[in-house]
Amino acid sequence: AQSVTQLGSHVSVSEGALVLLRCNYSSSVPPYLFWYVQYPNQGLQLLLKYTTGATLVKGINGFEAEFKKSETSFHLTKPSAHMSDAAEYFCAVKTSYDKVIFGPGTSLSVIP
Amino acid sequence: ETGVTQSPTHLIKTRGQQVTLRCSSQSGHNTVSWYQQALGQGPQFIFQYYREEENGRGNFPPRFSGLQFPNYSSELNVNALELDDSALYLCASSFRSLQRTDTQYFGPGTRLTVL
Repeated sequence: AQSVTQLGSHVSVSEGALVLLRCNYSSSVPPYLFWYVQYPNQGLQLLLKYTTGATLVKGINGFEAEFKKSETSFHLTKPSAHMSDAAEYFCAVKTSYDKVIFGPGTSLSVIP
Repeated sequence: ETGVTQSPTHLIKTRGQQVTLRCSSQSGHNTVSWYQQALGQGPQFIFQYYREEENGRGNFPPRFSGLQFPNYSSELNVNALELDDSALYLCASSFRSLQRTDTQYFGPGTRLTVL
């Protein structure tokens, strides 16, 4: 069965510092992987996705993630944090019949 | 191109009542999925509809039911509401073909409070 874990329910970084949000997954089939962002009282916005091909995926707002099959990881990074990046981030994996399984989320705080 | 819309945005019900939540898919999408997001947690898959039929279900009881209409809009119905049903309900639409299913795009959600 597929599952997603996100290390760290809360992460704080200084403005301008590197953002690293960790995601590990388990999947019995080649995974489709996603990162979504959720701002307070809003729905989910897709940041980026990995399906096949290049393992380094670039998304919106300067975020990128690297699929590492050997480590079953899909960590999200951004070189320089901005105040507007403060939000809840969810890693997700898509199963064989299109059900998307989400991790528990990581709340990112950006300190001025 | 319009995005996924949901109505109502907020809803308050009492225990034992029934509720219907609505979702309009993004233009060109033929598949709708529903998720429940409890406070402080990730979304949990309820079920998915494709071609007006349920196509996969998560670990939710039968009192959670749905419909998909010919225009691909959808409803989520919950009977005999319980306090634990209080959550943000998210709808996501996507396009599915014989070869693949594209990314799910989410609506803003309906916040349900059960008193």
